[in-house]
Parts: sequence; structure tokens; C-alpha cells
Amino acid sequence: EAQVTQNPRYLITVTGKKLTVTCSQNMNHEYMSWYRQDPGLGLRQIYYSMNVEVTDKGDVPEGYKVSRKEKRNFPLILESPSPNQTSLYFCASSLKGSPTDTQYFGPGTRLTVL
Amino acid sequence: GQSLEQPSEVTAVEGAIVQINCTYQTSGFYGLSWYQQHDGGAPTFLSYNGLDGLEETGRFSSFLSRSDSYGYLLLQELQMKDSASYFCAVRDPAQAGNMLTFGGGTRLMVKP
Repeated sequence: EAQVTQNPRYLITVTGKKLTVTCSQNMNHEYMSWYRQDPGLGLRQIYYSMNVEVTDKGDVPEGYKVSRKEKRNFPLILESPSPNQTSLYFCASSLKGSPTDTQYFGPGTRLTVL
Repeated sequence: GQSLEQPSEVTAVEGAIVQINCTYQTSGFYGLSWYQQHDGGAPTFLSYNGLDGLEETGRFSSFLSRSDSYGYLLLQELQMKDSASYFCAVRDPAQAGNMLTFGGGTRLMVKP
């Protein structure tokens, strides 16, 4: 089954404790991205990757890191989480990131930073 | 900057028709997409308009007017399962990586 998976689905952590949210897709997509969703703000892009070893900042990259060592995986790293990073996070992928490509979203990771 | 405006909430009854509007202001424009998101779920793609006019997919239709920077999603024969949030999104070639920018979402409540 074609899908985007994320882990963990729920995470409660404390300020400053490094964490990684994994994302994997099995559709051989080149384009992957991370979004955060906050009430009334819709989805805002954090980082995206056009292909292996090619990553760039989205709208709200501060406090986040990503890597793309393999085509299927695109982990999101929070080196020193803060309470304002409490949010719902979605990983997404599309074939090449072209304008007509459909984005496929993972199930989401609800992160709480205390 | 980029901005997309849509109503925050819409309520309708089962069997009715509802229209969710979206106006956008972007540097460039490749097309308008619509996504549906049920509570606790992931956004899923509904439709895409690259050119002016109406696109129909079953009970859902989407319309675009590029000259007016405006589009809408039309849901017909509403069902309870249509209760969800609906997001319009624009892919802007002026943004690095053809970034997809989303509106704040419209929460649709369908009542019996």
C-alpha cells in the first residue's frame, strides 16, 4: 500500500531534550516536506527536500533541522525543543514537487513540549 | 507575501449544497488545490484547478478565476461524513521549491 508513515504519532517531552520525528514513504517520491499545523494558521511548511542530499528552508524553519540521506526517509530533528514548538506535524511527499503533483500526507505527529 | 483567505467556519444541513470560498494573494501562481482533513486525520487531496473554470469530481466541484484571484469548493448533496476542515492551497513558483501555501482552513459542520 502506498503510504507516508511517521513516528512517533504522539510525543510529550521537556524543553531542551533533543528529539527526532521520522518520516518514510514507499512511493519513490523525490519531493518530501514537513509542515506544522496550528489552529487558525493552516499548514505551514518547515523544510522541504527536492531529492537526496537536497534540502531547503520553508516558511518556518527556525528551531528545526532535517536530513535526506536516502530517498525514502526525511527525519525532522528538534535539537533543543521549546514550548512554542508544541504543534501537530505532518510529513508529506509528492512525485517531483511540480505544481500539478498531488501531495500525500502522513498521519501526523502530535508534539507537546513542556 | 503570500496570503489565502477562507471563512473559518460554515454550517449546513444534510442534503444541502455549500460553497467554500478562497481568495489568494501570491507573487506567482501555478494553480489552486483543495484538501480535506477530518478531525485527527491527515489532509487528503480533493481537487486542483490550473486553469479558469469548473472541475467536477462526483459531489465535489472546484472553481477558479485567475483574474479575480478567487476560487471555491462546492459540495453537493452534503453527507454527515463531509464534516471536516477544508483547506485551499496555492503553489507559487516564486517561492523556493514551488512551496505549497495553505489557507487557514474552513471547518464545515453538517447537521442532520
